[in-house]
Amino acid sequence: QKEVEQNSGPLSVPEGAIASLNCTYSDRGSQSFFWYRQYSGKSPELIMFIYSNGDKEDGRFTAQLNKASQYVSLLIRDSQPSDSATYLCAVNMEYGNKLVFGAGTILRVKS
Amino acid sequence: DVKVTQSSRYLVKRTGEKVFLECVQDMDHENMFWYRQDPGLGLRLIYFSYDVKMKEKGDIPEGYSVSREKKERFSLILESASTNQTSMYLCASSDWDRGPYEQYFGPGTRLTVT
Repeated sequence: QKEVEQNSGPLSVPEGAIASLNCTYSDRGSQSFFWYRQYSGKSPELIMFIYSNGDKEDGRFTAQLNKASQYVSLLIRDSQPSDSATYLCAVNMEYGNKLVFGAGTILRVKS
Repeated sequence: DVKVTQSSRYLVKRTGEKVFLECVQDMDHENMFWYRQDPGLGLRLIYFSYDVKMKEKGDIPEGYSVSREKKERFSLILESASTNQTSMYLCASSDWDRGPYEQYFGPGTRLTVT
């Protein structure tokens, strides 16, 4: 089992729809969870982080964390073509004191 | 804004060459990281450093070494480049007080070993 798993996609949504990106992780002791956006040919950019169970909203983005289910998600409301990118989920593992990244989900927003 | 720069965007080297990749950050961050990114495998940690002259192995350190002589600079060294080290190399930094896991990335170096 991979430490951090994401569906590779591509996930295609129409412009204006809600895009839902999901991530599961294996280490029950993980405390910090991050979402990075990576445009083609560019480096990852941190867009959201969440530390507590529940929802955290920032503009059109909402991160959701359920530690009991070891599940973190990113919702993008009113999706725009400019949101088309690869979204990387990252989790800090309790052991080793480091971030572990998922392989990423490709999101395509069609106008 | 945090600025992380890397010495080259594209690099082509021959098998057996010694390769130096440099990373510089201007925000006085304690922590610096080197990753490689390959299709389908995501980002994998090679080495990281929490302070000057300190280094820790990541998940895939074999074939690599690092150097951190100054706080702002973290170098990745491929002692004898091989074709399986063809990859995108990404440097990142973070601030220990603000959050060691909120990492900020440089633009990346795409290395091709022929």
